[in-house]
Amino acid sequence: QVQLQESGPGLVKPSETLSLTCSVSGASVIRHYWNWIRQPPGKGLEWIGFVYDSETGTTNYNPTLQSRVTFSLDTSKNQFSLKLRSVTAADTAVYFCARGWSAGSYFPVWGQGILVTVSS
Amino acid sequence: EILLTQSPGTLSLSPGERGTLSCRASESVRSNYLAWYQQKPGQAPRLLIYAASSRVTGIPDRFSGSGSGTDFSLTISRLEPEDFAVYYCQQYGSSLITFGGGTKVEMK
Repeated sequence: QVQLQESGPGLVKPSETLSLTCSVSGASVIRHYWNWIRQPPGKGLEWIGFVYDSETGTTNYNPTLQSRVTFSLDTSKNQFSLKLRSVTAADTAVYFCARGWSAGSYFPVWGQGILVTVSS
Repeated sequence: EILLTQSPGTLSLSPGERGTLSCRASESVRSNYLAWYQQKPGQAPRLLIYAASSRVTGIPDRFSGSGSGTDFSLTISRLEPEDFAVYYCQQYGSSLITFGGGTKVEMK
């Protein structure tokens, strides 16, 4: 059974970099498409993007965030990560990691989510 | 970007009633690549339906999806107490994945 678990700071200062990690069990990060999705408090879901294949480092980012976001894979730890630069209060959200089957995919497996608040 | 508009925003129903949720896309969804999720407070979304009408293993058959092109719906045939939640549609037919704004199904 595949399980995902997000980790990282729950509080980030404005203009700094938000860094989160998703630990994967029950599957290898070498396969599948690993996604990040966020949800501001009381609002809907926003797809951030995916990372696939540690050798090629294939990524696809939501254009609205592309200039500030970077994904990476760590095959030795079976994890994948998100870095979001120059954060503002608008980046306050619950961040979910999720597994997809392909570049365009639905998401059968999700982490529990982690709330990240941007505040000084 | 494909915009997904869900309606109604809130659906007030009683247990045992039938509920129909709508998801309309701003352009045709390729291959009807549309999914439905259920989300309860403090939880991650749970996948119910993919490819517009394929039910995920383990999801009760009172949940059904239908539609094609730009108009899709999720029907809950007989609401159970555990079905009161927020429901989201998601399209994955384009390189930019998008979600609808959600429909809250609340108890009347």
